[in-house]
Amino acid sequence: DGGITQSPKYLFRKEGQNVTLSCEQNLNHDAMYWYRQDPGQGLRLIYYSQIVNDFQKGDIAEGYSVSREKKESFPLTVTSAQKNPTAFYLCASTLYGGSSYNEQFFGPGTRLTVL
Amino acid sequence: EDQVTQSPEALRLQEGESSSLNCSYTVSGLRGLFWYRQDPGKGPEFLFTLYSAGEEKEKERLKATLTKKESFLHITAPKPEDSATYLCAVQALQSMDSNYQLIWGAGTKLIIKP
Repeated sequence: DGGITQSPKYLFRKEGQNVTLSCEQNLNHDAMYWYRQDPGQGLRLIYYSQIVNDFQKGDIAEGYSVSREKKESFPLTVTSAQKNPTAFYLCASTLYGGSSYNEQFFGPGTRLTVL
Repeated sequence: EDQVTQSPEALRLQEGESSSLNCSYTVSGLRGLFWYRQDPGKGPEFLFTLYSAGEEKEKERLKATLTKKESFLHITAPKPEDSATYLCAVQALQSMDSNYQLIWGAGTKLIIKP
């Protein structure tokens, strides 16, 4: 079955600790995204990547880092510099349609809690 | 500034009571408008894409429509399993470097009581 997987489903971080969230897709999609979702707010873009070995900052990139070494994988690291990381993190991917990108498809999410 | 606003924030309906959710947008040119459904603790599930004013799409009890300023998600004779948060997102005609970014609304939480 094609889709997007995220792991872990739940993650707990101690103060000063870096943690990495995994995102893998087998849809052969070109672009991948990381969003943060907080209660009562729209999705906010953290980072995105159109091709391997290239990525761009979104609206709230401070305190986060990413890599795109393979087309299928786009891991997100939440660093200790992110002061309020407790949130629901969503990974998405989309296929480039020739002149624009199509609808984004999402993984199941990772809920990160700071202890 | 590009913006997407969804209303109401929450909507409670009785089973079978039809209604509509609104997504109004202010963007400098629309490339596409997307509707998603999100269940608690899960990732959003894609429903529809609309590209131009006057376009309509249907799926089971849901029908999405688009004008030059807003989109409506009409739900006909809803069932309890339609309870979810419905998200709207807009892709604006921006520069080529950012034509893939979506602007998201905060969502409408729909509750259908049996």
